[in-house]
Amino acid sequence: NAGVMQNPRHLVRRRGQEARLRCSPMKGHSHVYWYRQLPEEGLKFMVYLQKENIIDESGMPKERFSAEFPKEGPSILRIQQVVRGDSAAYFCASSSQTGTTDTQYFGPGTRLTVL
Amino acid sequence: GQSLEQPSEVTAVEGAIVQINCTYQTSGFYGLSWYQQHDGGAPTFLSYNGLDGLEETGRFSSFLSRSDSYGYLLLQELQMKDSASYFCAVRARDNFNKFYFGSGTKLNVKP
Repeated sequence: NAGVMQNPRHLVRRRGQEARLRCSPMKGHSHVYWYRQLPEEGLKFMVYLQKENIIDESGMPKERFSAEFPKEGPSILRIQQVVRGDSAAYFCASSSQTGTTDTQYFGPGTRLTVL
Repeated sequence: GQSLEQPSEVTAVEGAIVQINCTYQTSGFYGLSWYQQHDGGAPTFLSYNGLDGLEETGRFSSFLSRSDSYGYLLLQELQMKDSASYFCAVRARDNFNKFYFGSGTKLNVKP
Protein backbone atom coordinates (compact mmCIF):
# COMPACT_ATOMS: atom_id res chain seq x y z
CA ASN A 1 0.00 0.00 0.00
CA ALA A 2 2.39 2.64 -1.28
CA GLY A 3 2.07 6.18 -0.06
CA VAL A 4 2.77 9.31 -2.05
CA MET A 5 6.03 8.94 -3.94
CA GLN A 6 8.30 11.69 -5.14
CA ASN A 7 11.49 11.55 -7.09
CA PRO A 8 14.19 12.46 -7.11
CA ARG A 9 14.64 12.99 -3.38
CA HIS A 10 17.54 15.33 -3.97
CA LEU A 11 18.25 17.33 -7.12
CA VAL A 12 21.18 19.59 -7.84
CA ARG A 13 21.05 21.98 -10.78
CA ARG A 14 23.18 24.83 -12.02
CA ARG A 15 21.62 28.21 -12.71
CA GLY A 16 19.82 28.22 -16.03
CA GLN A 17 19.14 24.48 -16.13
CA GLU A 18 15.75 22.83 -15.92
CA ALA A 19 14.41 20.91 -12.93
CA ARG A 20 11.72 18.23 -13.23
CA LEU A 21 10.09 16.96 -10.08
CA ARG A 22 7.79 13.96 -10.17
CA CYS A 23 4.96 12.94 -7.86
CA SER A 24 2.88 9.77 -7.86
CA PRO A 25 -0.18 10.13 -5.63
CA MET A 26 -1.53 7.45 -3.36
CA LYS A 27 -3.47 4.73 -5.10
CA GLY A 28 -7.01 5.87 -5.70
CA HIS A 29 -6.22 9.57 -5.21
CA SER A 30 -6.90 11.88 -8.12
CA HIS A 31 -6.12 15.23 -6.47
CA VAL A 32 -2.56 16.50 -6.27
CA TYR A 33 -1.18 19.61 -4.58
CA TRP A 34 2.33 21.01 -4.84
CA TYR A 35 3.93 23.03 -2.03
CA ARG A 36 7.23 24.77 -1.57
CA GLN A 37 9.04 25.00 1.76
CA LEU A 38 12.01 27.19 2.58
CA PRO A 39 14.15 26.32 5.64
CA GLU A 40 12.46 27.14 8.95
CA GLU A 41 9.28 28.17 7.14
CA GLY A 42 5.85 26.73 6.52
CA LEU A 43 4.47 25.24 3.36
CA LYS A 44 3.42 27.59 0.59
CA PHE A 45 0.69 26.41 -1.77
CA MET A 46 1.72 26.41 -5.40
CA VAL A 47 -0.77 24.50 -7.53
CA TYR A 48 -3.69 22.07 -7.36
CA LEU A 49 -4.33 19.56 -10.12
CA GLN A 50 -6.70 16.78 -10.99
CA LYS A 51 -6.09 14.29 -13.77
CA GLU A 52 -5.41 16.25 -16.99
CA ASN A 53 -6.56 19.52 -15.41
CA ILE A 54 -4.94 22.40 -13.59
CA ILE A 55 -7.59 23.51 -11.13
CA ASP A 56 -5.76 26.28 -9.28
CA GLU A 57 -2.28 27.61 -10.02
CA SER A 58 -2.63 30.87 -8.12
CA GLY A 59 0.36 30.10 -5.89
CA MET A 60 2.76 29.36 -8.70
CA PRO A 61 5.04 32.02 -10.25
CA LYS A 62 3.78 33.00 -13.67
CA GLU A 63 7.14 32.51 -15.34
CA ARG A 64 9.44 29.51 -15.48
CA PHE A 65 7.14 27.25 -13.43
CA SER A 66 4.62 24.81 -14.87
CA ALA A 67 2.80 21.72 -13.65
CA GLU A 68 0.89 18.88 -15.22
CA PHE A 69 -0.92 15.72 -14.18
CA PRO A 70 -1.41 13.57 -17.28
CA LYS A 71 -3.95 10.82 -17.66
CA GLU A 72 -1.17 8.27 -17.31
CA GLY A 73 1.91 8.74 -15.17
CA PRO A 74 2.98 11.01 -12.37
CA SER A 75 2.36 14.68 -11.83
CA ILE A 76 5.30 16.81 -12.93
CA LEU A 77 6.44 20.16 -11.55
CA ARG A 78 8.80 21.77 -14.02
CA ILE A 79 11.07 24.71 -13.29
CA GLN A 80 12.86 26.20 -16.27
CA GLN A 81 16.04 28.30 -16.10
CA VAL A 82 16.43 27.75 -12.38
CA VAL A 83 17.86 30.48 -10.16
CA ARG A 84 19.39 30.24 -6.68
CA GLY A 85 16.13 31.45 -5.13
CA ASP A 86 14.43 28.28 -6.37
CA SER A 87 16.44 26.23 -3.87
CA ALA A 88 13.87 24.74 -1.51
CA ALA A 89 12.05 21.56 -0.60
CA TYR A 90 9.11 20.80 -2.87
CA PHE A 91 6.40 18.58 -1.48
CA CYS A 92 3.43 17.11 -3.21
CA ALA A 93 0.34 15.91 -1.41
CA SER A 94 -2.63 13.91 -2.57
CA SER A 95 -6.17 13.49 -1.36
CA SER A 96 -9.10 11.36 -2.42
CA GLN A 97 -11.60 14.16 -2.99
CA THR A 98 -12.21 17.69 -1.92
CA GLY A 99 -15.12 18.79 0.16
CA THR A 100 -15.27 15.83 2.48
CA THR A 101 -11.93 15.86 4.22
CA ASP A 102 -9.02 18.16 4.92
CA THR A 103 -6.58 15.27 5.12
CA GLN A 104 -3.69 15.49 2.74
CA TYR A 105 -1.04 12.81 2.42
CA PHE A 106 2.41 14.17 1.72
CA GLY A 107 5.28 12.67 -0.19
CA PRO A 108 8.86 12.72 1.15
CA GLY A 109 9.71 15.82 -0.87
CA THR A 110 12.35 16.77 -3.41
CA ARG A 111 15.12 18.95 -2.10
CA LEU A 112 16.31 21.18 -4.93
CA THR A 113 19.68 22.87 -4.69
CA VAL A 114 20.64 25.41 -7.32
CA LEU A 115 24.35 26.11 -7.56
CA GLY B 1 -6.34 37.00 2.98
CA GLN B 2 -5.21 34.37 5.42
CA SER B 3 -2.64 34.66 8.21
CA LEU B 4 -1.79 32.02 10.80
CA GLU B 5 0.58 32.68 13.67
CA GLN B 6 2.36 30.15 15.84
CA PRO B 7 5.22 30.41 18.33
CA SER B 8 8.48 29.63 16.58
CA GLU B 9 9.86 27.27 19.22
CA VAL B 10 8.77 25.46 22.37
CA THR B 11 10.85 23.33 24.76
CA ALA B 12 9.49 20.77 27.22
CA VAL B 13 10.68 17.68 29.09
CA GLU B 14 9.72 14.06 28.60
CA GLY B 15 6.44 13.16 30.25
CA ALA B 16 5.21 16.75 30.35
CA ILE B 17 2.23 18.35 28.61
CA VAL B 18 2.72 21.07 26.02
CA GLN B 19 0.25 23.30 24.20
CA ILE B 20 1.03 24.81 20.79
CA ASN B 21 -1.19 27.76 19.93
CA CYS B 22 -2.35 28.94 16.53
CA THR B 23 -4.04 32.30 16.10
CA TYR B 24 -5.38 33.25 12.76
CA GLN B 25 -6.78 36.11 10.74
CA THR B 26 -8.91 34.86 7.92
CA SER B 27 -11.84 35.85 5.81
CA GLY B 28 -13.34 32.45 6.48
CA PHE B 29 -12.24 28.86 6.51
CA TYR B 30 -13.64 25.38 6.73
CA GLY B 31 -11.58 23.93 9.55
CA LEU B 32 -8.24 23.88 11.31
CA SER B 33 -5.78 21.03 10.73
CA TRP B 34 -2.51 20.12 12.39
CA TYR B 35 0.50 18.46 10.79
CA GLN B 36 3.73 17.10 12.24
CA GLN B 37 7.03 17.25 10.39
CA HIS B 38 10.29 15.71 11.57
CA ASP B 39 13.56 17.23 10.33
CA GLY B 40 14.10 16.20 6.74
CA GLY B 41 10.75 14.43 6.62
CA ALA B 42 7.33 14.92 5.12
CA PRO B 43 4.41 16.57 6.94
CA THR B 44 1.98 14.03 8.35
CA PHE B 45 -1.62 14.73 9.27
CA LEU B 46 -2.41 14.75 13.00
CA SER B 47 -5.90 16.13 13.53
CA TYR B 48 -8.74 18.25 12.17
CA ASN B 49 -11.30 20.52 13.87
CA GLY B 50 -14.29 21.34 11.70
CA LEU B 51 -16.35 22.49 14.67
CA ASP B 52 -15.53 24.38 17.84
CA GLY B 53 -14.36 22.24 20.71
CA LEU B 54 -11.87 19.56 21.53
CA GLU B 55 -10.90 16.58 19.37
CA GLU B 56 -8.88 13.85 21.05
CA THR B 57 -6.68 11.28 19.35
CA GLY B 58 -4.56 9.32 21.80
CA ARG B 59 -1.90 11.53 23.36
CA PHE B 60 -2.77 14.40 21.00
CA SER B 61 -5.76 16.71 21.29
CA SER B 62 -6.72 19.72 19.21
CA PHE B 63 -9.04 22.58 20.05
CA LEU B 64 -10.76 25.26 18.00
CA SER B 65 -12.63 28.41 18.99
CA ARG B 66 -13.87 30.33 15.95
CA SER B 67 -15.15 33.22 18.08
CA ASP B 68 -11.62 33.73 19.45
CA SER B 69 -9.87 32.99 16.12
CA TYR B 70 -7.74 30.54 18.03
CA GLY B 71 -6.82 26.93 18.15
CA TYR B 72 -4.24 24.76 19.84
CA LEU B 73 -2.61 21.37 19.72
CA LEU B 74 -2.11 19.65 23.07
CA LEU B 75 0.50 16.94 23.39
CA GLN B 76 0.46 14.83 26.55
CA GLU B 77 3.00 12.40 28.02
CA LEU B 78 5.68 13.84 25.79
CA GLN B 79 8.18 11.45 24.28
CA MET B 80 11.53 12.18 22.68
CA LYS B 81 10.10 11.15 19.31
CA ASP B 82 7.63 14.05 19.54
CA SER B 83 10.51 16.46 18.82
CA ALA B 84 9.43 17.89 15.47
CA SER B 85 7.82 20.91 13.87
CA TYR B 86 4.07 21.30 14.13
CA PHE B 87 2.02 23.29 11.62
CA CYS B 88 -1.54 24.52 11.77
CA ALA B 89 -3.36 24.86 8.46
CA VAL B 90 -6.71 26.03 7.11
CA ARG B 91 -8.63 25.48 3.89
CA ALA B 92 -9.73 28.92 2.79
CA ARG B 93 -13.41 29.61 2.30
CA ASP B 94 -12.66 32.20 -0.38
CA ASN B 95 -10.62 29.66 -2.32
CA PHE B 96 -11.68 26.16 -1.57
CA ASN B 97 -8.73 24.63 -3.37
CA LYS B 98 -6.11 26.38 -1.27
CA PHE B 99 -4.61 25.33 2.02
CA TYR B 100 -2.72 27.91 4.09
CA PHE B 101 -0.08 26.79 6.57
CA GLY B 102 1.39 28.56 9.59
CA SER B 103 5.15 28.94 9.75
CA GLY B 104 5.42 26.10 12.24
CA THR B 105 6.42 25.55 15.87
CA LYS B 106 9.59 23.61 16.55
CA LEU B 107 9.09 21.42 19.62
CA ASN B 108 12.21 20.31 21.48
CA VAL B 109 11.63 17.49 23.97
CA LYS B 110 14.42 17.11 26.53
CA PRO B 111 15.11 14.09 28.77
